Amino acid sequence: DTEVTQTPKHLVMGMTNKKSLKCEQHMGHRAMYWYKQKAKKPPELMFVYSYEKLSINESVPSRFSPECPNSSLLNLHLHALQPEDSALYLCASSQAGTGSNQPQHFGDGTRLSIL
Amino acid sequence: AQSVTQLGSHVSVSEGALVLLRCNYSSSVPPYLFWYVQYPNQGLQLLLKYTSAATLVKGINGFEAEFKKSETSFHLTKPSAHMSDAAEYFCAVSSFGNEKLTFGTGTRLTIIP
Repeated sequence: DTEVTQTPKHLVMGMTNKKSLKCEQHMGHRAMYWYKQKAKKPPELMFVYSYEKLSINESVPSRFSPECPNSSLLNLHLHALQPEDSALYLCASSQAGTGSNQPQHFGDGTRLSIL
Repeated sequence: AQSVTQLGSHVSVSEGALVLLRCNYSSSVPPYLFWYVQYPNQGLQLLLKYTSAATLVKGINGFEAEFKKSETSFHLTKPSAHMSDAAEYFCAVSSFGNEKLTFGTGTRLTIIP
């Protein structure tokens, strides 16, 4: 069982739909991350939140909109996605402010398919 | 700038044989190094980490890795492979003050019965 919970596990949506991915952790971590992972590739960082503030945006298209409502929750809002956005979306969390020597803990991801 | 290179995108070993997965890093500052494992349809699970304490690091499931600064390496080993070790393995690097974790391209480990 992972300590980072992601919902839904699978999502199929059309290019005009609006949907959200959710991530929750109760480890007291104050840094949270979104990654995109294509098949047979390593995860690619999308966003980093540190103490509920967006600290890194890796030039992600605006059709992806992150939100961190509180220290335990992280959302990724999706709108007008393209077929190439189909991928596994992973959420991770870690202790913040410790010089990044703390490991990131990953959820099992949401497998997203864009029709 | 930081990066890791994983030599061998696919490694096959017989059950009971030594597992050796290679990782070399590049970092302009002292690195923090991690090995993660990913089973099919799952997220990444931390195997072990190096954060400037002991150079020989023991992890879960019988894996260990040795940090060698002179060789800029952090290879992952396990004395005896088990069928359940079949998975994708990622080496990753970060550094002090850098929130980003940079992953290698991954090594798929196959265990031959």
